[in-house]
Amino acid sequence: QLQLQESGPGLVKPSETLSLTCTVSGDSISRSSYHWGWIRQPPGKGLEWIGNFFYNGRTYYKPSLKSRVTISVDTSKNQFSLRLNSVTAADTAVYFCVRHSLAYFDFWGQGALVSVSS
Amino acid sequence: SYVVTQLPSVSVAPGMTARITCGGSNIGSKSVHWYQQKPGQAPILVIYYDRDRPSGIPDRFSGSNSGDTATLTISRVEAGDEADYYCQVWDNTSDPVVFGGGTTLTVL
Repeated sequence: QLQLQESGPGLVKPSETLSLTCTVSGDSISRSSYHWGWIRQPPGKGLEWIGNFFYNGRTYYKPSLKSRVTISVDTSKNQFSLRLNSVTAADTAVYFCVRHSLAYFDFWGQGALVSVSS
Repeated sequence: SYVVTQLPSVSVAPGMTARITCGGSNIGSKSVHWYQQKPGQAPILVIYYDRDRPSGIPDRFSGSNSGDTATLTISRVEAGDEADYYCQVWDNTSDPVVFGGGTTLTVL
């Protein structure tokens, strides 16, 4: 059964870098059928796509976040990671890692709350 | 970028039918996907490509899409259906993933 699990610090200081890792079990992130990516949800608000990567290494980012975001992959560990630099309070959110099946998101991790505060 | 609009809230009595809409310019030409999110949980996919149900989703959940409105219909509503529902479309632009603002379904 497919499972995605986010991990990383729950508190980040303003101007620093948010780093999260998603560990995938039950599927291989190098399969060609799927993208893998990140979505976030500020407290009490809606969902915002951050970016995806494809098995061939291509990455796709939300334009408004592109200058601050990097998604990287470690296929040997079946993990992928999110780095978001120069964070502000507006980046406080629950961050979900997701499997992206063509145009929709069919599996989600449980989410990790990251707060940006000094 | 493409914009989709959802009403903030919908209320329905148990056993009745809930209709949650997602509006957008000519949304009928796009594929719409729906997610259910209960408090403190991750969203789950309940409808994809307008009307298909993932395995494990009851057939009380159905979808349609035409013109400027896509609709998620929940028949014979149960207390356990109380949740936030989000529509999502894929737009072939540099900002391709578009979510609606979400609709809170309250079961009276």
